[in-house]
Amino acid sequence: DTAVSQTPKYLVTQMGNDKSIKCEQNLGHDTMYWYKQDSKKFLKIMFSYNNKELIINETVPNRFSPKSPDKAHLNLHINSLELGDSAVYFCASSPRGRGPTFGSGTRLTVV
Amino acid sequence: EDQVTQSPEALRLQEGESSSLNCSYTVSGLRGLFWYRQDPGKGPEFLFTLYSAGEEKEKERLKATLTKKESFLHITAPKPEDSATYLCAVQVNNQGGKLIFGQGTELSVKP
Repeated sequence: DTAVSQTPKYLVTQMGNDKSIKCEQNLGHDTMYWYKQDSKKFLKIMFSYNNKELIINETVPNRFSPKSPDKAHLNLHINSLELGDSAVYFCASSPRGRGPTFGSGTRLTVV
Repeated sequence: EDQVTQSPEALRLQEGESSSLNCSYTVSGLRGLFWYRQDPGKGPEFLFTLYSAGEEKEKERLKATLTKKESFLHITAPKPEDSATYLCAVQVNNQGGKLIFGQGTELSVKP
């Protein structure tokens, strides 16, 4: 039983394309997140949703748009992809005020 | 500005050679300090949460401690399977539960 699952695991696409990453959690957590890990393995938060409401939006270009249809799902849509968007994107979820459980990541490569 | 710094960046040990990883932090109000383990190609895996100075937690060969300025992850008699990147993160009061990560320590344990 996968706790936090995200798809796809790998995504290779050309500059200028639009792509989406999907995330689902079966832990019953209220809060979901998107984190970005760069080539130096530095993890930084992008967005956080609590019960479908956006609560954190960290200086992320507006080409990135998260969507939470319900509290178990948080998707990430990226428009007009750029080379610098290449990274590993992690979805995570947590109960209120506790540390998150991470998914296995989506490696995005923009060529 | 809230900041987390880990040292060393990389650590090579012989099997059985105990050592410690350091995580120094500067935050406006600490809610919790987290340690995660990350294996190549996988998401961070939760190890410990520490909430107040003086607190200690143990799991197998790992022991985490916390002071008002830093945390240590002590590894006793490590085995090759302990090789991974260890990530430290802080959760700050009134910031929606986000984690601020350090850059990680890459641990390699040779048999």
